[in-house]
Amino acid sequence: GQQLNQSPQSMFIQEGEDVSMNCTSSSIFNTWLWYKQDPGEGPVLLIALYKAGELTSNGRLTAQFGITRKDSFLNISASIPSDVGIYFCAGQLGAGGTSYGKLTFGQGTILTVHP
Amino acid sequence: DGGITQSPKYLFRKEGQNVTLSCEQNLNHDAMYWYRQDPGQGLRLIYYSQIVNDFQKGDIAEGYSVSREKKESFPLTVTSAQKNPTAFYLCASSIDSGGLDQPQHFGDGTRLSIL
Repeated sequence: GQQLNQSPQSMFIQEGEDVSMNCTSSSIFNTWLWYKQDPGEGPVLLIALYKAGELTSNGRLTAQFGITRKDSFLNISASIPSDVGIYFCAGQLGAGGTSYGKLTFGQGTILTVHP
Repeated sequence: DGGITQSPKYLFRKEGQNVTLSCEQNLNHDAMYWYRQDPGQGLRLIYYSQIVNDFQKGDIAEGYSVSREKKESFPLTVTSAQKNPTAFYLCASSIDSGGLDQPQHFGDGTRLSIL
């Protein structure tokens, strides 16, 4: 089946630093999603990308849908302590066939921010 | 408030016992999903349902069963056939919008442990 490789697996940064993480796939997706998960809670959607080449921002977060449709990255600028958590990328093929609505998740990036 | 409610938050299972995890949504979403999350891994799809009275196996359906008798409810039963049930279980839902992709939104999860 499809697999997503997400990197890095973990990051330890100082407050105020910028962060970058990315996901690559062996096959194409029609949608890329980025989620954040706090301990003991469900993932919360941060950004959704629907077109190849699309660059979307949400406050201090910026994400891009790669031109090849096989990768995506997430940047966080000027990190703050509440950015701590696990960040997941997810790819979705989309409507049609047996893959409708199904998400394939990366392994997650654990972010630690030191004050 | 609209959202996805999972219960209980914590659940303990004895050997040979079936347990059922509840997932209710009041978002009027057609599609619902169950994922399993293990430490250091991304989410893996157990079952999904695009419409009432219909559901499909995901990537790791063995040892699990579901039903979708009502639009707002998608309970997951972890059967005694699931030999390694200890995990964090997440329920999600999304709008079934035909040709458009709509992101999945998650509940806060149920943590299942073996006694």
